[in-house]
Amino acid sequence: NAGVTQTPKFQVLKTGQSMTLQCAQDMNHEYMSWYRQDPGMGLRLIHYSVGAGITDQGEVPNGYNVSRSTTEDFPLRLLSAAPSQTSVYFCASSPKVSGFNSPLHFGNGTRLTVT
Amino acid sequence: AQKITQTQPGMFVQEKEAVTLDCTYDTSDPSYGLFWYKQPSSGEMIFLIYQGSYDQQNATEGRYSLNFQKARKSANLVISASQLGDSAMYFCAMREDSKLTFGKGITLSVRP
Repeated sequence: NAGVTQTPKFQVLKTGQSMTLQCAQDMNHEYMSWYRQDPGMGLRLIHYSVGAGITDQGEVPNGYNVSRSTTEDFPLRLLSAAPSQTSVYFCASSPKVSGFNSPLHFGNGTRLTVT
Repeated sequence: AQKITQTQPGMFVQEKEAVTLDCTYDTSDPSYGLFWYKQPSSGEMIFLIYQGSYDQQNATEGRYSLNFQKARKSANLVISASQLGDSAMYFCAMREDSKLTFGKGITLSVRP
């Protein structure tokens, strides 16, 4: 049971480059989300999706795009990387869209450095 | 205004003793869930315990318990009989409908 899989684990980009962080889950979860973690800031929500074809913005969406063409996949795109996007990125999913009692299952994270 | 507040500085506890990690929250929604996650130095996020806003009793999961005081809007995590492996960052989080909001975390160090 793979759970939530994120790739790559590590990435170094130069300012202005683009890339996609991949996230896939095999639990048939409706809800998927992306967080970034910065020292002293906790985890902050970037984007989330309540089902295939539906996405919405979180707390810090600027500079990031997402799409949800299938239930399993929720990629995060950086169109023009900036040093401020250096962070650890977590993808997370849960079975229920609006279940306030539904914990998130996290991937192992992607450590991104933008130089 | 912050929705989840974790203000304790780094916490230290002696092995085998109990420790309480504080968390206060802010919401006007009557339906919400409170969660605690552990993040060891390896970086993964591990779900520990959940408390629902309508739950009458405090949640417990093994050595973890949640001291839920709804009127005070606090959801403190109690770890009993601390172990060296409990050394980690701990995050309190609140879920309202489709969003889970995290606090900034507390670092716990367990001394042998």
